[in-house]
Amino acid sequence: KAGVTQTPRYLIKTRGQQVTLSCSPISGHRSVSWYQQTPGQGLQFLFEYFSETQRNKGNFPGRFSGRQFSNSRSEMNVSTLELGDSALYLCASSLRGSGGIGEQFFGPGTRLTVL
Amino acid sequence: TQLLEQSPQFLSIQEGENLTVYCNSSSVFSSLQWYRQEPGEGPVLLVTVVTGGEVKKLKRLTFQFGDARKDSSLHITAAQTGDTGLYLCAGALGYGGSQGNLIFGKGTKLSVKP
Repeated sequence: KAGVTQTPRYLIKTRGQQVTLSCSPISGHRSVSWYQQTPGQGLQFLFEYFSETQRNKGNFPGRFSGRQFSNSRSEMNVSTLELGDSALYLCASSLRGSGGIGEQFFGPGTRLTVL
Repeated sequence: TQLLEQSPQFLSIQEGENLTVYCNSSSVFSSLQWYRQEPGEGPVLLVTVVTGGEVKKLKRLTFQFGDARKDSSLHITAAQTGDTGLYLCAGALGYGGSQGNLIFGKGTKLSVKP
């Protein structure tokens, strides 16, 4: 079956602009998590959505937001971009059918560069 | 403050050598996962360990979870060029499976030369 897809793969924006990234999870997966990956901080959790509801949120400012649609596809939005927002944004989907840490399947990421 | 410290940060070895990568914390984790990430791709799960002292083997890879569930190690025997990549450990702080409780280390970048 098809894996997690993220669009676009690469994006260049300037400071102050906003950006929307998209993630399509594996068919049947209801949980989508977003992460920011930078060389300095590594992988940091942004938020998780399950059945259109935000279930958990990391320590990021309110400029970072997301949503999930009824078909489980998810988008994340970053407003008023800053240079420090340059990173690889990863989306991961999982079944989340039961308790415990299930396997997350990551997409290839969107490389965002803020100039 | 980085909850999960991975060492070494970088490792460059010759094909055929053995290596060990470490993941340490002062926090207790309910479970710990190891991922490998290759350039241009997202991380891929290698293993999940949940019991203190647990040892899991995946072909040439051996994973160990510390008795106190605060640390873990990944040992690769007879490394191959295909093992090259970024190895990430991720610990779960809570139970119930919320991914928001998953903390990642910064990773060990492994380069295996032919």
